Amino acid sequence: DGGITQSPKYLFRKEGQNVTLSCEQNLNHDAMYWYRQDPGQGLRLIYYSQIVNDFQKGDIAEGYSVSREKKESFPLTVTSAQKNPTAFYLCASSISPGRKGGTDTQYFGPGTRLTVL
Amino acid sequence: QKEVEQNSGPLSVPEGAIASLNCTYSDRVSQSFFWYRQYSGKSPELIMSIYSNGDKEDGRFTAQLNKASQYVSLLIRDSQPSDSATYLCAVVTDSWGKFQFGAGTQVVVTP
Repeated sequence: DGGITQSPKYLFRKEGQNVTLSCEQNLNHDAMYWYRQDPGQGLRLIYYSQIVNDFQKGDIAEGYSVSREKKESFPLTVTSAQKNPTAFYLCASSISPGRKGGTDTQYFGPGTRLTVL
Repeated sequence: QKEVEQNSGPLSVPEGAIASLNCTYSDRVSQSFFWYRQYSGKSPELIMSIYSNGDKEDGRFTAQLNKASQYVSLLIRDSQPSDSATYLCAVVTDSWGKFQFGAGTQVVVTP
């Protein structure tokens, strides 16, 4: 089955810890994205990658880092510099961003809920 | 001013009735528009995309786009309790395909 997987489903972080959230897709999509969702708010873009070995900051990149070494994988690290990391983190992918007609549609993984202890 | 605005709700709809959700956006050059449904605690799932002015129907769902007035709407006909969810409007705001999401409208379908 093709799709996007995220792990873990739930993650608990102690103060001062770095944690890494996994995102894998087998859809052969070029572009991948990380979003953060807080209660009652829309999705906010953290980082995005349009191609392997390239990624760009989104609207709220401070305190986060990413890598895109493989087309299928786009892990997100939440560093200790992120002061309020408790949120629902969503990974998404699309065939080809910036071209309308369906290939710009973003599909989401199941999400990781991160809680700071 | 938020780039994509939706009424937060909750929008209470009797079972079998039509739910009408609205979304306005600020960027006149936006070209692609999406509606996602998100159940509590789950990730968003695509309902519909629309790119041209007018109506687009898919089953019980109809998306309506009016670029001149900068709004996109979603109608849910014959609403069912399983339609109770938060509906997110998303608009592509620049050439590389960046999505801008609204905060979502919560819909509650009452039996």
